[in-house]
Amino acid sequence: GENVEQHPSTLSVQEGDSAVIKCTYSDSASNYFPWYKQELGKGPQLIIDIRSNVGEKKDQRIAVTLNKTAKHFSLHITETQPEDSAVYFCAATRNHNNDMRFGAGTRLTVKP
Amino acid sequence: DTEVTQTPKHLVMGMTNKKSLKCEQHMGHRAMYWYKQKAKKPPELMFVYSYEKLSINESVPSRFSPECPNSSLLNLHLHALQPEDSALYLCASSQEGDQPQHFGDGTRLSIL
Repeated sequence: GENVEQHPSTLSVQEGDSAVIKCTYSDSASNYFPWYKQELGKGPQLIIDIRSNVGEKKDQRIAVTLNKTAKHFSLHITETQPEDSAVYFCAATRNHNNDMRFGAGTRLTVKP
Repeated sequence: DTEVTQTPKHLVMGMTNKKSLKCEQHMGHRAMYWYKQKAKKPPELMFVYSYEKLSINESVPSRFSPECPNSSLLNLHLHALQPEDSALYLCASSQEGDQPQHFGDGTRLSIL
């Protein structure tokens, strides 16, 4: 089955700096890669996703890049704000496969 | 506000009790999921229902019994749980397996 590895496990940045979180996956058939943000006491919330036919996707301060050959994808957050502090999870799954696997998570802290 | 509603938000039960967790969505999604999340860990898939039929059971102990009464509702019946079953139980829904999953805020379960 799919195995997703995520790094780093913790990340601390100053407000206004950029943050990058990286994930690798093992199943070359995986073709859908969502990123979730989980705040304390809440469920995971989708912040951005990318499919394997696209190399990069951007939504305001958030971007995701995908390298299918190397089987890795990354989340980039620019101009970080204290409210970006949360745990971020990457995930991977295949077409019509309801079995989504998560990375271990990254705890991001943005210091004011 | 999340579009997936879970009740109750908190539940404390003894090992001999029987209780149920409930999940509801009105987005017309045809896939619904139960996940278990331990502290500082990613969500782990337990069950998947697709078009009201159980499609994935990740070797979950029989003391957890899922039920999908209709396309909008998902239940998780609990019986004779163990202390190690204490966790956050998350429900999610999506259109298809490779479409975004929308999570509820979970039920925090404590087994005494």
